[in-house]
Amino acid sequence: EVQLAESGGDLVQPGGSLRLHCAASGFIFSAYAINWVRQAPGKGLEWVSVIGTSGRPTYYADSVKGRFTISRDNSKNTLYLQMNSLRAEDTAIYYCARSAAYREDYMDVWGKGTTVTVSS
Amino acid sequence: ETVMTQSPATLSVSPGERATLSCRASQSVSSNLAWYQQKPGQAPRLLIYGASTRATDIPARFSGSGSGTEFSLTISSLQSEDFAVYYCQQYKNWPLTFGPGTKVDIK
Repeated sequence: EVQLAESGGDLVQPGGSLRLHCAASGFIFSAYAINWVRQAPGKGLEWVSVIGTSGRPTYYADSVKGRFTISRDNSKNTLYLQMNSLRAEDTAIYYCARSAAYREDYMDVWGKGTTVTVSS
Repeated sequence: ETVMTQSPATLSVSPGERATLSCRASQSVSSNLAWYQQKPGQAPRLLIYGASTRATDIPARFSGSGSGTEFSLTISSLQSEDFAVYYCQQYKNWPLTFGPGTKVDIK
C-alpha cells in the first residue's frame, strides 16, 4: 500500500526549532517530488515547500523562506522539514504529500499529518 | 503569486441534489488545476486533476471542467459521504496555491 506517515510534531516555544519527518512506503520514493502542506486550526490548506527527486530543486512559500529547510534521504525513504525561528502563526497540522508526476505538482498521496503548536 | 478564489464559501444542498462549486485563478493556469475533498479530522483526498480528469477510484458523479482562469466542480447527485470541504489548487505557477475552500453541508 502506498503510504506517507508524518512524525515529529510537538509543542514548541516561539523562536524554537523542530524537525518533522515523513516516512514513505509502497512506492519508489526516489522517483517523486514531495511537498509539505500545512493547515492552521480551522483554516484552509497552505502549501509550504517542495523538493525534487534528487534533493533539487527546492521551493518555499514566502511565509517560511529563510526559516524552514526541506530535505530528503532517498536511502531511508524519508523526507524532512527543519523548522527554525518558529512563530505562533506556524501552528498547524503539517502534511507531506506526493507530487503525482514530473512537473505535475498536484498531490495524489497524503499522510495523516503531524501537529505543530507554537506557544509559550 | 496566483491567487485562487472559490465560491460560494458554503453550499447547502439536500442529498440527491446537484452541487456546482466554482474556482477562479487570478491569472491563467491553463488546465493545471486540481480539486481535493477534505472531511473533518482527515487529510485531503485528490478528486480531479488536469481540471477534468478523475483520480483513481473517484466516483463518476464528480466531474470537473474549465480552463484558463475559470473552473468548476460538479457533484451530480450528492451522497451522504460527499458532505465535506472542497479545495481547488493550481500547479501551473510557483508558489503552488490553494483556494480557501467551499464547505458543502446538508440542507
